[in-house]
Parts: sequence; structure tokens; C-alpha cells
Amino acid sequence: EIVLTQSPATLSLSPGERATLSCRASQSVSSYLAWYQQKPGQAPRLLIYDASNRATGIPARFSGSGSGTDFTLTISSLEPEDFAVYYCQQRSNWPLFGPGTKVDIK
Amino acid sequence: QVQLVQSGAEVKKPGSSVKVSCKASGGTFSSYAISWVRQAPGQGLEWMGGIIPIFGTANYAQKFQGRVTITADEFTSTAFMELSSLRSEDTAVYYCARAQVTMVRGVIITNWFDPWGQGTLVTVSS
Repeated sequence: EIVLTQSPATLSLSPGERATLSCRASQSVSSYLAWYQQKPGQAPRLLIYDASNRATGIPARFSGSGSGTDFTLTISSLEPEDFAVYYCQQRSNWPLFGPGTKVDIK
Repeated sequence: QVQLVQSGAEVKKPGSSVKVSCKASGGTFSSYAISWVRQAPGQGLEWMGGIIPIFGTANYAQKFQGRVTITADEFTSTAFMELSSLRSEDTAVYYCARAQVTMVRGVIITNWFDPWGQGTLVTVSS
């Protein structure tokens, strides 16, 4: 079973700063990784699929990279609405999610 | 554009069952996959299982095998998740989501989830 680890657990930044979130898989998942954003009281929203493809309607400040076991979600310049929890998820017949990274306001 | 609307919050007694619905609009319901994902209070996301209505059969996470039943009604474009033998640890928000899937050597592989329903809070309490 593949395990996903996300770091850091919490990232404290100011609006306008760059956010770099990491997701590491215990074994290779090729490029089959997705990223989601979840705000309090809301359902998750797909941001990135297949490691680097932005979902429909997702702003260009969100980008994904990586392959194999190491992946990164980058938010180039944080907007107030970007403070949320971010999850990665691996492709599988039993899809698993990482534990999440909370991006909060410094 | 696919939209998923779930049924309302439920309060259940330990040992009972709950059935949550997820009504889809937009797209062709029978041709896409629906998964159920739950989130306990303050916790992460946990995939429970899914179904492709056109195939009719569901697959489940091992943890929930024997306790969860996922079905779909093509006539009403509605998917259902029934969880039995409820315990306090089942208190969670339950989400349905359209799953983008691939068939690999006869096995359904889930790639990602988009969009998601609004969630249904199920509280298990005596």
C-alpha cells in the first residue's frame, strides 16, 4: 500500500507570498497525483490532476510539478481566498489521500 | 457541467443504518463513476468506495467491506451510500464525487475526483 506524506503540516504565510507544498509517496506513482483545496465548511475542490494539469477554472497562480515519489504544489502569490487545507491524492483502485497541509495567515 | 446535490444531515443511533443520496445533473449519469469519501471531524479524507452506474457493480475500500453498500438509480440520476452497524466513529461528513476512472486489466482505477457534492453530516450518537 502506497502512503502519502505531506509537508509541512502547517505553513504560515502572508498574502502575496509564495507557497510551496510537498507531497511524497512511499513508492512511485508515476505522474498520477492530484491536488485538492478545502476551505472550512466546504467540499474539496480539484486543483491539479496528473501532477501538473490545472483543472477547469483554476487560476494560473496554482501549479503542480513532480513525478515518481516527490511532488510539489506551488501557489505563486497567495490571495486571501487561498488560505485553506490542501490534500494530495494518488491514483489507485483504492485511492488514498495525504494528511493535508494547512496554509494559514501569518 | 455536472453538479451533485446530496441529501440532508442525519442523526442516527449506534447500531442503526444510514442512507445518503447524491443526485446528479448535467452530463450522462450512467457513463461516469461516483465515489463516496468521508471526513471525520478535524480529520482528513477517506475513500469508501464507488460505482459506475452503467456497469452496476460497486467496489469498496477493504475497511468498509460488509458494512457499506453503494448503488445507483439511472432513472433518477441518483447514487446512494448506505452504511450499516453505525458506531460513534462513523460520525463524519460524507461526500459524493464524480470520479475520473480508467480501466486497467479489468480493474477500475480512480484518477481524481471532480466535482464534489456539498457533503452530508452524519452524526452517530445515543
